[in-house]
Amino acid sequence: EAQVTQNPRYLITVTGKKLTVTCSQNMNHEYMSWYRQDPGLGLRQIYYSMNVEVTDKGDVPEGYKVSRKEKRNFPLILESPSPNQTSLYFCASSLAPTNIQYFGAGTRLSVL
Amino acid sequence: AQSVAQPEDQVNVAEGNPLTVKCTYSVSGNPYLFWYVQYPNRGLQFLLKYITGDNLVKGSYGFEAEFNKSQTSFHLKKPSALVSDSALYFCALKAGGYQKVTFGTGTKLQVIP
Repeated sequence: EAQVTQNPRYLITVTGKKLTVTCSQNMNHEYMSWYRQDPGLGLRQIYYSMNVEVTDKGDVPEGYKVSRKEKRNFPLILESPSPNQTSLYFCASSLAPTNIQYFGAGTRLSVL
Repeated sequence: AQSVAQPEDQVNVAEGNPLTVKCTYSVSGNPYLFWYVQYPNRGLQFLLKYITGDNLVKGSYGFEAEFNKSQTSFHLKKPSALVSDSALYFCALKAGGYQKVTFGTGTKLQVIP
């Protein structure tokens, strides 16, 4: 089954404790993105990747890191999480030329 | 800079009536426009897209959208609403040739039985 898999689905952590949210897709898509969803703000793009070792900043990259060492994986790293990073996070992948994004089920992060 | 506006936080419509969810955009270059739907506790699902061609685009579950270049709009429509259409709807935009995607703030559609 074609899918984007995020882990974990739920995470509670404390300020400053490094964490990684994993994202994996099995569709051989070139493009992958991370978004955060906040009430009243919709989805905002954090980082995106056009292919292996090619990444770029979205609209809200501060406090986040990404890497794309393999085509299927695109982990999101929070080196020193802060409470303002409490949010619902989505990973997505897409294939040119359709540009249709396929989303993971989401990761709900709480930073205390 | 590119932007997307969804002016209505919530739209209420009676079952069986036509529905419209509004979206306007601003971008330099050719717009790629999308509608996605989000059901509670789920990720987003693709509904339809406009890249080029006919201004009226048909998508999943009986939804359609009309691209209007002069009004920079891409409103989502359905002739007859179902209770199961109740969900959160997002309009999204990317400029052709780039991967930066901008989403609107979302519109909650409530279909009343």
